[in-house]
Amino acid sequence: QVTLKESGPGILQPSQTLSLTCTFSGFSLSTYGMGVGWIRQPSGKGLEWLANIWWDDDKYYNPSLKNRLTISKDTSNNQAFLKITNVDTADTATYYCARMRLFDYWGQGVMVTVSS
Amino acid sequence: DIQMTQSPSSMSVSLGDTVTITCRASQDVGIYVNWFQQKPGKSPRRMIYRATNLADGVPSRFSGSRSGSDYSLTISSLESEDVADYHCLQYDEYPYTFGAGTKLELK
Repeated sequence: QVTLKESGPGILQPSQTLSLTCTFSGFSLSTYGMGVGWIRQPSGKGLEWLANIWWDDDKYYNPSLKNRLTISKDTSNNQAFLKITNVDTADTATYYCARMRLFDYWGQGVMVTVSS
Repeated sequence: DIQMTQSPSSMSVSLGDTVTITCRASQDVGIYVNWFQQKPGKSPRRMIYRATNLADGVPSRFSGSRSGSDYSLTISSLESEDVADYHCLQYDEYPYTFGAGTKLELK
């Protein structure tokens, strides 16, 4: 059974760094062809793909966030991570992680609010 | 970036209707289009993958099609549980991009 679950700080202040964790089960990021991605959704708005990390440690980022994103993984503990630096109110959103086998499984999402 | 122009943005529907939602890709994305259903407060659920393939557990009244750069999701004989938001996604090329979404509402 594949599951993913996101965790994060809930609320943070502008200019801080957002650190998100995706803890998953039912698959391994050391398996050939496997990947995990991050997607976000501001309340009432559409979905935005942020980043992917693959079994071979290949990483891809959405250039719209310039150089603010860093994705990483801990294969031993079945986790993937996303850091977003220098956050502002526009980063307030629900953040999802999803398995990159054609986006077949998603986590429940974690709400993040950026507010002073 | 590849733009996925999704239409309509909202749609007033009745139970039993046949509903079609379309995404037009700004450049060739081949078969690499998915459709997702999202209900309030829930995460997206994959309905269609690779343009035309029904995801596991999805009712057969859902179907996906492609005509050139136009990708469509069709719901035949709409049921109340189908009232939701729908999103298309292209994953042929980075950055992956979603359509703006379609909100189905009951008349």
